[in-house]
Amino acid sequence: DTGVSQDPRHKITKRGQNVTFRCDPISEHNRLYWYRQTLGQGPEFLTYFQNEAQLEKSRLLSDRFSAERPKGSFSTLEIQRTEQGDSAMYLCASSPRDRSGKQYFGPGTRLTVT
Amino acid sequence: AQTVTQSQPEMSVQEAETVTLSCTYDTSESDYYLFWYKQPPSRQMILVIRQEAYKQQNATENRFSVNFQKAAKSFSLKISDSQLGDAAMYFCAYRSANRDMRFGAGTRLTVKP
Repeated sequence: DTGVSQDPRHKITKRGQNVTFRCDPISEHNRLYWYRQTLGQGPEFLTYFQNEAQLEKSRLLSDRFSAERPKGSFSTLEIQRTEQGDSAMYLCASSPRDRSGKQYFGPGTRLTVT
Repeated sequence: AQTVTQSQPEMSVQEAETVTLSCTYDTSESDYYLFWYKQPPSRQMILVIRQEAYKQQNATENRFSVNFQKAAKSFSLKISDSQLGDAAMYFCAYRSANRDMRFGAGTRLTVKP
């Protein structure tokens, strides 16, 4: 069990560019979550996958955001036409098939939009 | 909508002493989970303790324990024998079955040597 991993750890981009982040969950965890965390705040839910199906999306997830989990393993989060307000830490978490409710978080990807 | 409120933005405790972090939540559901997560300066969230709403017994994990008051919708975290490594942001979180997790704004805990 290597834990949840995210890549890259840091990303600096110019406004208007597209960025893509990757999350590798703990193996055999069927649920995967994306959150956004701004400085001094708790994480805010963005979207949730069960296997390859995207079951829930927050209203925070505008049309510029898209997430995929094509084979039910790793997931990608893409932000198109980035804005300065997108600057945040993007966290990924995964949870197992049981009903424990526990989520295991990755280290996050810090996005800075200049 | 479920909301989670942490009314203490910052707390401090002397090493080896006990500190209690407060959390209240709002929900109309009966089946849910409550969590405390710790986020050290390296920023990786670590699960500290978990409580299932249907269980009346308060959860305990070593030096960490909770006071779960379901009727009052209160879920406080007690840290006993505080250690320097306990310094971090602590987030209270709520999750109903198969739904997303909602977090409070966090409490920054400082441990003084």
